[in-house]
Amino acid sequence: QVQLQESGPGLVKPSQTLSLTCTVSGGYISNGGYYWTWIRQHAGKGLEWIGYIYYRGTTYYNPSLKSRVTISVDTSKNLFSLRLTSVTAADTAVYYCAKSRGQANVMDAWGQGTSVTVSS
Amino acid sequence: DMQMTQSPSSLSASVGDRITITCRASQSISNYLTWYQQKPGKSPKLLIYAASSLQSGVPSRFGGSGSGTDFTLTISSLQPEDFATYFCQQSYNTPLTFGGGTKVEIK
Repeated sequence: QVQLQESGPGLVKPSQTLSLTCTVSGGYISNGGYYWTWIRQHAGKGLEWIGYIYYRGTTYYNPSLKSRVTISVDTSKNLFSLRLTSVTAADTAVYYCAKSRGQANVMDAWGQGTSVTVSS
Repeated sequence: DMQMTQSPSSLSASVGDRITITCRASQSISNYLTWYQQKPGKSPKLLIYAASSLQSGVPSRFGGSGSGTDFTLTISSLQPEDFATYFCQQSYNTPLTFGGGTKVEIK
């Protein structure tokens, strides 16, 4: 079964760029049929959908973050990535990557999550 | 954005109890409703999709119902491993949005 693993720095300075990678194992992104998704969760809060990418590169972003977010995919390395620019303390959260299936975008596999703190 | 409102925000229950969690959408979402379970320090786990379809491997004591704007998640007989936070999520349109969560605690 597909497994996902987030990686990236746990500490980012304000105004800098947050960059995370999600490595996929047990399946190939290039096989198609799924959306590769980023979600975040502020401490003690609910879940916020950031956006997703299809293996061919089509992206959909949350309008609340759209001006700062880029999600990209590297099928040769079987991974996808998140870039969030001009971060502030409000971007401090646990970031999850997930695999979404079907038209209903059901997130049926999640990474373990990675905690990112924005602080100087 | 589609607003998803869960109630209650928390509840206390005993092992063996039947519990129901409600999720209401700000407008009709047909059956584009998914339920997740999250335990402390862990990532969410898919339980129910398309409002009432049980994900493979999820115990049959979990059930979902509803369509349009009103949905419920029912656990027919609460087990110790079910104490967790439950989230609903709509995928009728983007941005995908989640409910605020319902924390199920041991009474």
